Amino acid sequence: GAVVSQHPSWVICKSGTSVKIECRSLDFQATTMFWYRQFPKQSLMLMATSNEGSKATYEQGVEKDKFLINHASLTLSTLTVTSAHPEDSSFYICSARRWGTSETQYFGPGTRLLVL
Amino acid sequence: AQSVTQPDIHITVSEGASLELRCNYSYGATPYLFWYVQSPGQGLQLLLKYFSGDTLVQGIKGFEAEFKRSQSSFNLRKPSVHWSDAAEYFCAVGGTLGSGTYKYIFGTGTRLKVLA
Repeated sequence: GAVVSQHPSWVICKSGTSVKIECRSLDFQATTMFWYRQFPKQSLMLMATSNEGSKATYEQGVEKDKFLINHASLTLSTLTVTSAHPEDSSFYICSARRWGTSETQYFGPGTRLLVL
Repeated sequence: AQSVTQPDIHITVSEGASLELRCNYSYGATPYLFWYVQSPGQGLQLLLKYFSGDTLVQGIKGFEAEFKRSQSSFNLRKPSVHWSDAAEYFCAVGGTLGSGTYKYIFGTGTRLKVLA
């Protein structure tokens, strides 16, 4: 149990376009979902925390208007990179925290974004 | 401030040799502690976690970790490494971390290379 999926796994887009990444908890309900960004050979940087039905909490330095997060249900959160630029190219990983219990986060497989 | 330190950026071991990956943390209370493994281009897989109780925890793939409060450490060990263990390993501390919202802090990661 505790499987998290992300879609798409790869996306290439032109500069100025918007890209939406989905994160789903497949076999459990997620109290909270998290979005991370990972640069090559570096650790994960938390971008924001989202709770179902409420606004996301963004980490310091993360642009809210650029990285739109929607947590529409207990199994789905989306990250939209608006007006993407080459510097937004990165590996984006989501995680989900199981409803009501564990302090453990379960991670998705990641989405690699390349902005041309 | 809360932090997680993984002193070794790279470790190389021979297949069959024992392994220890170090993790030190700074946190005001008893933390939730985790070890994750990441294969190239993939998300993170939970190896093991410590919340309370027995300070020696067993995980998947033959890994174990020991929580030592006096040393603020949570080192990961494996008695005999397999070639498939080559990956990036991340230690994480979980908690509200003074922010009021639950989150992780990750260490910088240790890249394990296994020699045949």
